[in-house]
Amino acid sequence: SYVLTQPPSVSVSPGQTASISCSGDNLGAKYASWYQQKPGQSPVLVIYQDDKRPSGIPERFSGSNSGNTLTLTISGTQAMDEADYYCQAWDNSIVVFGGGTKLTVL
Amino acid sequence: DVQLVESGGGLVQPGGSLRLSCAASGFIFSNHWMHWVRQVPGKGLVWLSRINSDGRSTYYVDSVKGRFTISRDNAKNTLYLQINSLRAEDTAIYFCAREFASRWTVDYWGQGTLVTVSS
Repeated sequence: SYVLTQPPSVSVSPGQTASISCSGDNLGAKYASWYQQKPGQSPVLVIYQDDKRPSGIPERFSGSNSGNTLTLTISGTQAMDEADYYCQAWDNSIVVFGGGTKLTVL
Repeated sequence: DVQLVESGGGLVQPGGSLRLSCAASGFIFSNHWMHWVRQVPGKGLVWLSRINSDGRSTYYVDSVKGRFTISRDNAKNTLYLQINSLRAEDTAIYFCAREFASRWTVDYWGQGTLVTVSS
């Protein structure tokens, strides 16, 4: 089965740029999404089709996908961005999630 | 506004069964594929199943095939997940979610319903 691998944790200082990676075999050939989940809340879509932002998602969130690596970049990270982030891709007709990355803003 | 409201969770004994429901509103339910995802508190998201817009096509993660059944009633704007032979490891929050097919993504999630399997 298809596997997406994320680092368990990433730390960033307020105002700096955070990058969260997600790796999978030939992931760049698939469309992928990113979800943000804060404690006690449901996931929220922040990036779809690799690099597109849904309406209402701040411009500081961006994405890229090439080769085996999908990347979520948060520019000018704010305290409110502290959350768990999950990548998601498609394996034929099946959905696969990465294990999640806890972003700490400190 | 798109709303997805899950219900049907609760405490159930091992070996028991449960049917979860997800009431949809704010969009044309019959136009969208729908999904179930679960999350053990404090752990990651695990995709379970998806169903196409008319209910005739379903997909499951291998680990739940044969025990979980996804279905829908478009007249009632409701998605279901039947879970049989419940095990302790099925204890989790169960989310329903809407697929936005042309964007290759799942764009809206419900608030989840907690299933606890324990004697």
